Amino acid sequence: ILNVEQSPQSLHVQEGDSTNFTCSFPSSNFYALHWYRWETAKSPEALFVMTLNGDEKKKGRISATLNTKEGYSYLYIKGSQPEDSATYLCAPSMNRDDKIIFGKGTRLHILP
Amino acid sequence: NAGVMQNPRHLVRRRGQEARLRCSPVKGHSHVYWYRQLPEEGLKFMVYLQKENIIDESGMPKERFSAEFPKEGPSILRIQQVVRGDSAAYFCASSPKRSYSGNTIYFGEGSWLTVV
Repeated sequence: ILNVEQSPQSLHVQEGDSTNFTCSFPSSNFYALHWYRWETAKSPEALFVMTLNGDEKKKGRISATLNTKEGYSYLYIKGSQPEDSATYLCAPSMNRDDKIIFGKGTRLHILP
Repeated sequence: NAGVMQNPRHLVRRRGQEARLRCSPVKGHSHVYWYRQLPEEGLKFMVYLQKENIIDESGMPKERFSAEFPKEGPSILRIQQVVRGDSAAYFCASSPKRSYSGNTIYFGEGSWLTVV
């Protein structure tokens, strides 16, 4: 069973502050890492997919990095806004396996 | 530009009844995934299907649950003789090709099953 850990589980951030959180996964047989943003009562929305060690992706104020050798990825949000409040899920796929296994997510609350 | 469509969005069943959840993938996508979200849990993988084939059903409970993706029509997740523990949100996702290549999978908005 693939063990995907996301931390912290929950995070409160003041509007305007920057923040980051972590996803860790087994480094052996890694294939790809997906980040999703999930608002309550909506469908998970794809943010990034990364495959290479050292990959960095950016989408507006959100960016992500990937370290496949040590098995972690960081998601950064710069200048948090209320609309950033959501659960952020990371999902690695391993071994050319087709399953994407999700972590439990980091629940981000932006405080006005 | 329709995304993944799931129906019904909400379904109430009595214990022992059958539940059928339907998923129409993004047009042109031939791969479908089903995930389940139990209360206070994350998204748990259930099954991965290609048209007319089950590729990986390692996350499906061994009994009462089945899934299909016929050549024509939507994918169906079927739960027979539902029990209270089946109450959950069921999410479908689709992709144009196998996800291990790094391609994104696109989610529907989920079907909420309540067993009373």
